[in-house]
Amino acid sequence: GAVVSQHPSRVICKSGTSVKIECRSLDFQATTMFWYRQFPKQSLMLMATSNEGSKATYEQGVEKDKFLINHASLTLSTLTVTSAHPEDSSFYICSAHRGAWEQFFGPGTRLTVL
Amino acid sequence: KQEVTQIPAALSVPEGENLVLNCSFTDSAIYNLQWFRQDPGKGLTSLLLIQSSQREQTSGRLNASLDKSSGRSTLYIAASQPGDSATYLCAPDRGSTLGRLYFGRGTQLTVWP
Repeated sequence: GAVVSQHPSRVICKSGTSVKIECRSLDFQATTMFWYRQFPKQSLMLMATSNEGSKATYEQGVEKDKFLINHASLTLSTLTVTSAHPEDSSFYICSAHRGAWEQFFGPGTRLTVL
Repeated sequence: KQEVTQIPAALSVPEGENLVLNCSFTDSAIYNLQWFRQDPGKGLTSLLLIQSSQREQTSGRLNASLDKSSGRSTLYIAASQPGDSATYLCAPDRGSTLGRLYFGRGTQLTVWP
């Protein structure tokens, strides 16, 4: 099966700093990637759709200036949480779309903001 | 926006039991529906995908059915094992917004020896 990686797997930062999370499709090209966040005991909530070579599409209620998404190549999308605060602490998961309907998820990144 | 409900929220059973996990969704204009498994602190693993034209899909001890018109899907797990313990999520995929998945809260399954 296709493999999607995320880096880092875990990050702890101070309030006010920015954190970048990478999502890579290792063995296929993905024109579209998705970013989700998951709070404890909650389900995944779609944050944005990341399209290679164009601006990301954000879901309603997601601040685009807070969560910067860059899809620079067909195998890499990055999510930058700017000026992170404790309420941004969450589990962030990306997925990469292949073909008509296949979607593969990364292992997730645990962000803790102190 | 698609709303997804999964029942039960949690299930704890001895191994060997046959299980039924239910999923309902509000927007029946879907392209397909996927069932995923999520282990604690991990990403998602796709278990089954049912196209909108199909009524069911099977993989090993797993069988998923889809009633698109009524907005329901059911995941059957036969002869459950402790290794099946995880959270199970369903995600209908609308054709007009392909790939943007909306998840329910899942069913947290514990199978004890």
